Amino acid sequence: EDQVTQSPEALRLQEGESSSLNCSYTVSGLRGLFWYRQDPGKGPEFLFTLYSAGEEKEKERLKATLTKKESFLHITAPKPEDSATYLCAFSSSGGGADGLTFGKGTHLIIQP
Amino acid sequence: GAGVSQSPRYKVAKRGQDVALRCDPISGHVSLFWYQQALGQGPEFLTYFQNEAQLDKSGLPSDRFFAERPEGSVSTLKIQRTQQEDSAVYLCASSPDVPAGAITSTDTQYFGPGTRLTVL
Repeated sequence: EDQVTQSPEALRLQEGESSSLNCSYTVSGLRGLFWYRQDPGKGPEFLFTLYSAGEEKEKERLKATLTKKESFLHITAPKPEDSATYLCAFSSSGGGADGLTFGKGTHLIIQP
Repeated sequence: GAGVSQSPRYKVAKRGQDVALRCDPISGHVSLFWYQQALGQGPEFLTYFQNEAQLDKSGLPSDRFFAERPEGSVSTLKIQRTQQEDSAVYLCASSPDVPAGAITSTDTQYFGPGTRLTVL
């Protein structure tokens, strides 16, 4: 069964303390792996799409990486405005639903 | 340019009432998706349109849920005889290209702000 597991569920960091969020996935045919940021009361905001193992993408303090079984979202020297829930999702070519399959998210809090 | 918009942003319904939720996708986007997000969970897929055609409705939880996109732009998600378990945020997303077929950088989905439905 296609599924996504994100860890940790919640993470509290001090400003400037770098860390990584994990997204483990099981899918019959990966079309794309997506990272979104979601602030309270808002819809998910697109961050990155990764398509193949070994691929990396960066944006400001965030870098996403992809292997055949998992993806990491690395946060370097985070600031309080990076506090949000980070969602991982994939699209599948395996004949399942056409939508994205999401994990439950990692709730990140950056303390000043 | 304008992003995906949804209305209303908040809806309170009494159990048994019918509700209609509207989504205006990004202009020119071919694909449109509806998701349901329960508190503390990730979004769950409900249904998918390619232009006006509903190609996948495998995620609709019951026959009380109905979606349409008659002219290939605006979409409406209708829930009949609402139940308390229908309380959730309903998210709409649009994508510029058809997701099936070759992988491109344009199958990314862009989400609206959501409609928070509370059924009393």
